[in-house]
Amino acid sequence: DAKTTQPPSMDCAEGRAANLPCNHSTISGNEYVYWYRQIHSQGPQYIIHGLKNNETNEMASLIITEDRKSSTLILPHATLRDTAVYYCIVRVGGANNLFFGTGTRLTVIP
Amino acid sequence: DGGITQSPKYLFRKEGQNVTLSCEQNLNHDAMYWYRQDPGQGLRLIYYSQIVNDFQKGDIAEGYSVSREKKESFPLTVTSAQKNPTAFYLCASSIFMTAYSNQPQHFGDGTRLSIL
Repeated sequence: DAKTTQPPSMDCAEGRAANLPCNHSTISGNEYVYWYRQIHSQGPQYIIHGLKNNETNEMASLIITEDRKSSTLILPHATLRDTAVYYCIVRVGGANNLFFGTGTRLTVIP
Repeated sequence: DGGITQSPKYLFRKEGQNVTLSCEQNLNHDAMYWYRQDPGQGLRLIYYSQIVNDFQKGDIAEGYSVSREKKESFPLTVTSAQKNPTAFYLCASSIFMTAYSNQPQHFGDGTRLSIL
């Protein structure tokens, strides 16, 4: 699985959009980009995933660059409950393992 | 509500004792997984099962054992052979994984195991 690089921490004002970047420059053509988040002492929560097209669901939007070497997770209106560690993972479809790196610690500020 | 239930939330083990962590899911998922998370680190795969009565070792299976007698249940036993069992244990499940499947894994809220 390709390695990902994320900033260690970010702050976002409550009500504003949170844009979390992820670099995956060695991604291969059959690897998907997944985003999870983990609130302290809880299990990771699945947010969204995509292959090459932008994706949107009730939680977030995922923007993948045309060359697929980076992506951005967008939380459109951040709330205090969005404070968590966000993980960007790339994985081949069907692979059993999820490789969580150190992620980005997002702090939403009132 | 559909989901994954792990119990207990906190567990303490004495030296030389085996303990079993419970994981139950009502999502009708075929595949189930056990991960271990140490402070400040990512997840490491212990065991996984794609179908009832079948399971495979992950990256760190030594000192652990599992069973998959029912689709809904995938208990993990931490044996006395696991010398450093203190960690946060996470169970996950997903729709059956094929080579072309991109379905995500969904996680329970974990069991925190400590040594007395």
